[in-house]
Amino acid sequence: GNSVTQMEGPVTLSEEAFLTINCTYTATGYPSLFWYVQYPGEGLQLLLKATKADDKGSNKGFEATYRKETTSFHLEKGSVQVSDSAVYFCALINAGGTSYGKLTFGQGTILTVHP
Amino acid sequence: GAVVSQHPSRVICKSGTSVKIECRSLDFQATTMFWYRQFPKQSLMLMATSNEGSKATYEQGVEKDKFLINHASLTLSTLTVTSAHPEDSSFYICSAPSRGGNTIYFGEGSWLTVV
Repeated sequence: GNSVTQMEGPVTLSEEAFLTINCTYTATGYPSLFWYVQYPGEGLQLLLKATKADDKGSNKGFEATYRKETTSFHLEKGSVQVSDSAVYFCALINAGGTSYGKLTFGQGTILTVHP
Repeated sequence: GAVVSQHPSRVICKSGTSVKIECRSLDFQATTMFWYRQFPKQSLMLMATSNEGSKATYEQGVEKDKFLINHASLTLSTLTVTSAHPEDSSFYICSAPSRGGNTIYFGEGSWLTVV
């Protein structure tokens, strides 16, 4: 079956520090990969996605590259801000078949950025 | 704007009562919707797949008689938490996939507190 493993948190950084949140996956076929962000008291928002190997998703200064050879989709940002404090979820989906539309989530990583 | 709308966003109910949460697709028809649950500081776990015009498919360990799902139209799925107990207090969120299944739209989520 599908599974997603994220680095354990919480992660605490100072403003303008470099961020990496590791994510690895196991899946059959060729899944699409996602990073979702959940700000305090809010629902899920799609941060970025990649649908095939070597694709790079990017948004709001965040980037992640779909690495099939290492089955990874690590999230990075060069300079974090206090407003980036949130919970980040790595997820995958296998489109089609019995897994149609079902997302498998990692356990989430809490990021706290201090001024 | 939102393409999937969930209501209510927050609800408090007494133990033993039932609560209904609605999930609507606003600009598209969704023959399938998904319901997730998130315990505090944990990841999102898929509860069930809501299928328009047929019975929902529940994940292992989810009580179908307690979490009633109805998908009466192509734009509406409802989750009813019956005879709610404090341990049912959680964040519930729905999603609906795009036609190809590669884009997942999430509702805003519903915070349920059972007192």
